[in-house]
Amino acid sequence: EVQLVESGGGLVQPGGSLRLSCAASGFTFSNYAMSWVRQAPGKGLEWVSGLGGGGGSTSYADSVRGRFTISRDNSKNTLYLQMNSLRAEDTAVYYCAKEALMVRGPIDYWGQGTLVTVSS
Amino acid sequence: EIVLTQSPGTLSLSPGERATLSCRASQSVSSSYLAWYQQKPGQAPRLLIYGASSRATGIPDRFSGSGSETDFTLTISRLEPEDFAVYYCQQYRSSARTFGQGTKVEIK
Repeated sequence: EVQLVESGGGLVQPGGSLRLSCAASGFTFSNYAMSWVRQAPGKGLEWVSGLGGGGGSTSYADSVRGRFTISRDNSKNTLYLQMNSLRAEDTAVYYCAKEALMVRGPIDYWGQGTLVTVSS
Repeated sequence: EIVLTQSPGTLSLSPGERATLSCRASQSVSSSYLAWYQQKPGQAPRLLIYGASSRATGIPDRFSGSGSETDFTLTISRLEPEDFAVYYCQQYRSSARTFGQGTKVEIK
């Protein structure tokens, strides 16, 4: 059974940093692209960042490029999102998501999400 | 960035009725790289359709997708009570994926 378990969310002040983790199990982690998707309270889904199975191909939404960094440790079956220079508008539930292919595919599994709140 | 625009924003229908949701892309995403998701309150989204028209595992056949290039449609042939939810389209043609803003299907 595929499981994606996010951790690392919480309350942080504007300008602060946070690192999210996503522990994956139930599939061969290195064979699949992974993404982070967020959802602000009462709003729609926003794709944040993605990373190919081998870890060499990263992409970011314009809203986070230069502030967020996605990475993965295939030996630990873990996906990360380093978030710096956080803003109030980054407040959201952050979902870890598995894509159906190594390079490009729909999201076939989602974690339950971790809440990030940016506020003073 | 490929912008996806969904319409209508809200669809008010009764159980048993047909629902037709639209997703329009600002540039071609072909038919291979368009997905639809369903999200219910307090839950993570669920994949319904990928490749514009292929149903994901376990998805009932009342859900169908169609379209190509820039215009896509999700059809629910006969609404069941559990189908009232928010639906999102997503393109994965571009390395920077994007979602539409969502269509809420509510009970009339």
